Amino acid sequence: EPEVTQTPSHQVTQMGQEVILRCVPISNHLYFYWYRQILGQKVEFLVSFYNNEISEKSEIFDDQFSVERPDGSNFTLKIRSTKLEDSAMYFCASSEGIGSEQYFGPGTRLTVT
Amino acid sequence: AQSVSQHNHHVILSEAASLELGCNYSYGGTVNLFWYVQYPGQHLQLLLKYFSGDPLVKGIKGFEAEFIKSKFSFNLRKPSVQWSDTAEYFCAVNAGGGYNKLIFGAGTRLAVHP
Repeated sequence: EPEVTQTPSHQVTQMGQEVILRCVPISNHLYFYWYRQILGQKVEFLVSFYNNEISEKSEIFDDQFSVERPDGSNFTLKIRSTKLEDSAMYFCASSEGIGSEQYFGPGTRLTVT
Repeated sequence: AQSVSQHNHHVILSEAASLELGCNYSYGGTVNLFWYVQYPGQHLQLLLKYFSGDPLVKGIKGFEAEFIKSKFSFNLRKPSVQWSDTAEYFCAVNAGGGYNKLIFGAGTRLAVHP
């Protein structure tokens, strides 16, 4: 069964450093998403991406964040200058269409020290 | 703003007990509703979904959920739980109308004792 994959599984970085989290969505899916879950809190939507552009973003997704689909398979989330409060589990997801089931990856645990 | 409430944060049951997890959402328009499960050490997996039609939906592993529009609820049920159902359960809403983002509840951690 096709899966969403994410790398790395765990990333430790120092405050102020840039990080890139990588995702490979399911190959025939057209919509891609990033969510995050701070420890002990809800899963929160960050951004959705379709047709090579952001279709929706939350207020969390400020200028420090960017997304890119650099080739036909990868979907990346970049955090330009990490803060302590960016420490969270980041989930990538993909779906075939609007409103359809979103398939989640295993997550990347980001720890900012 | 749309929101999702899950009333039970922790539930402890013995095997063969019945389960009902509450989920309420606040949004007046058309919604798509989901229950996801996260087993220990694994990623979020879809249990079931409601888009339209029969408000009683059946999912995997014997789970079902009922959409009650008048109550803005989508409660998850299972008649007889097993130890392997130990996991965290998340209710989520997609507010339709071309919006794709899922809004999640806080999750319910279920522990089933043998």
